[in-house]
Amino acid sequence: ETGVTQTPRHLVMGMTNKKSLKCEQHLGHNAMYWYKQSAKKPLELMFVYNFKEQTENNSVPSRFSPECPNSSHLFLHLHTLQPEDSALYLCASTPRPGEELFFGSGTQLSVL
Amino acid sequence: AQSVTQPDIHITVSEGASLELRCNYSYGATPYLFWYVQSPGQGLQLLLKYFSGDTLVQGIKGFEAEFKRSQSSFNLRKPSVHWSDAAEYFCAVGGGSNYKLTFGKGTLLTVNP
Repeated sequence: ETGVTQTPRHLVMGMTNKKSLKCEQHLGHNAMYWYKQSAKKPLELMFVYNFKEQTENNSVPSRFSPECPNSSHLFLHLHTLQPEDSALYLCASTPRPGEELFFGSGTQLSVL
Repeated sequence: AQSVTQPDIHITVSEGASLELRCNYSYGATPYLFWYVQSPGQGLQLLLKYFSGDTLVQGIKGFEAEFKRSQSSFNLRKPSVHWSDAAEYFCAVGGGSNYKLTFGKGTLLTVNP
């Protein structure tokens, strides 16, 4: 497989559930990102990891917990989410700072 | 702080007509500039990018963009739009050692037959 792969594509969860989103990149990149895209809102950067180290946390609530075990994998652990957290969650990677991002297809999350 | 403004939220054109999507940016140094396209429920696909050199850059699907430093603009153009171009378009700015890419709010393009 090539590119950036996100699973699952769709997820429905209750506010008391715990779930995880997974992202895997096969591009040999060093940096990985989580973005949130809500309806009628701009893309919101959530987290950036560079060589497995977190370099950016954009004031994200603690109910979102990222994990980057290596440069190819990125997870977003979710717990006690709110309905306003329903959105498309996009993973991306880049080979070098400032250069283009390569995006996955996203996970469409619905919180009931 | 870096920022991107896309002044047009929604544009409608007829198939075969020309297209220009506007993008203005704010960045403290030499910017890296990007245009992405997104179909509903999908991730973003890179159309083209500008790092340096020729200010007119060519991208995929027949798109081009022109970097104008004096106007802080990076407008996207296509001479003849196809129905398959209907999507949302995002302009973004980054650069240097900064891992943060900042996106505009997007312009939704509708193509009439």
